[in-house]
Amino acid sequence: SAVISQKPSRDICQRGTSLTIQCQVDSQVTMMFWYRQQPGQSLTLIATANQGSEATYESGFVIDKFPISRPNLTFSTLTVSNMSPEDSSIYLCSLLSRDRYGYTFGSGTRLTVV
Amino acid sequence: AQSVAQPEDQVNVAEGNPLTVKCTYSVSGNPYLFWYVQYPNRGLQFLLKYITGDNLVKGSYGFEAEFNKSQTSFHLKKPSALVSDSALYFCAVRGHGQNFVFGPGTRLSVLP
Repeated sequence: SAVISQKPSRDICQRGTSLTIQCQVDSQVTMMFWYRQQPGQSLTLIATANQGSEATYESGFVIDKFPISRPNLTFSTLTVSNMSPEDSSIYLCSLLSRDRYGYTFGSGTRLTVV
Repeated sequence: AQSVAQPEDQVNVAEGNPLTVKCTYSVSGNPYLFWYVQYPNRGLQFLLKYITGDNLVKGSYGFEAEFNKSQTSFHLKKPSALVSDSALYFCAVRGHGQNFVFGPGTRLSVLP
């Protein structure tokens, strides 16, 4: 299955600043997904990112807060903008696994906003 | 709408004993079912999936799960737990052409 390199693995940021999370895949993939895992909670889909088009955001998530780039078929970024402590979470990128049924996940970015 | 329930926040089991982590789901049509494990400070790792066929599926690290359509369940099991199995376990369901829905997670603690 594809290997995803996600970075940074963790960061501590000041409120009001922005952080960009990067995911690099070792093969070309059409769709990538970004998830948020708030402390003690399950995963929530933020958006689906297709190469060459704007990301599709789930209810409760907006582009101004979580802009996503997808410049090519192996790379995507998620920016968490104007951060507040409520944004402290683990953020994960993912893609459909080779069999197209399941997901493969990046290692996650643990974000703490102070 | 799709949903997944993991009725236990925490499961404690002694090393060497069998373990079960429960999952029930709701989805229209035939489900695709998955188990993932998350170790501390790590992303999610795939354990096993049910797509079609044999109701008993075997996955990584000696885990298995049984799909029970009548009970809409997909419980994760292992005959003999290891301390290293201690982690957070997520059940997930996906209907045809739909996104994943993850359960709330169950924290498994295997006591030496």
